Amino acid sequence: DQQVKQNSPSLSVQEGRISILNCDYTNSMFDYFLWYKKYPAEGPTFLISISSIKDKNEDGRFTVFLNKSAKHLSLHIVPSQPGDSAVYFCAARPVGADGLTFGKGTHLIIQP
Amino acid sequence: NAGVTQTPKFQVLKTGQSMTLQCAQDMNHEYMSWYRQDPGMGLRLIHYSVGAGITDQGEVPNGYNVSRSTTEDFPLRLLSAAPSQTSVYFCASSLRGREQYFGPGTRLTVT
Repeated sequence: DQQVKQNSPSLSVQEGRISILNCDYTNSMFDYFLWYKKYPAEGPTFLISISSIKDKNEDGRFTVFLNKSAKHLSLHIVPSQPGDSAVYFCAARPVGADGLTFGKGTHLIIQP
Repeated sequence: NAGVTQTPKFQVLKTGQSMTLQCAQDMNHEYMSWYRQDPGMGLRLIHYSVGAGITDQGEVPNGYNVSRSTTEDFPLRLLSAAPSQTSVYFCASSLRGREQYFGPGTRLTVT
């Protein structure tokens, strides 16, 4: 049973526009959420995180929104750049634990 | 800082062979973990450690052993490799409660 779901396997966005990647979760014990970016043949790179006590966190072009009642989070990238083309993983961590549960990833393609 | 390093980058094993995947970090992180990634899947937690001498199982521990004798190193052992263990393996480390940093991965093929 998937506890973290990324329902869009791929997403194509024009350069300069906004990219919105979505993630849903089912486990109410998750209290910390992270987004990772992964290029082929490399390890995942941490992008941004959000604690369940917040509903928004911003870091430069990246903003993560958390809607706890809907068990939904999204990553916004504005403006999208060619180097943003990668696979993006949503991950969640339960209260009192360190191990992460990952979604299957969304392949973001930025079109010139 | 080298961050999280993993060796080897690639490995081919025959069914039944054993091997150890190495992982080291130089950030003095208490927490270290191993994940595997299969095609079309997210990363799944195999084993983790919250400090030297302390290890525990993750979501998919069967067929793997770990030990943590130092803060820096966290090797993953396959005692008798099976084709189902063909995967890409990632090691990660973090301070407790903070974001995890991942190594570059080891691509393992078991024939």
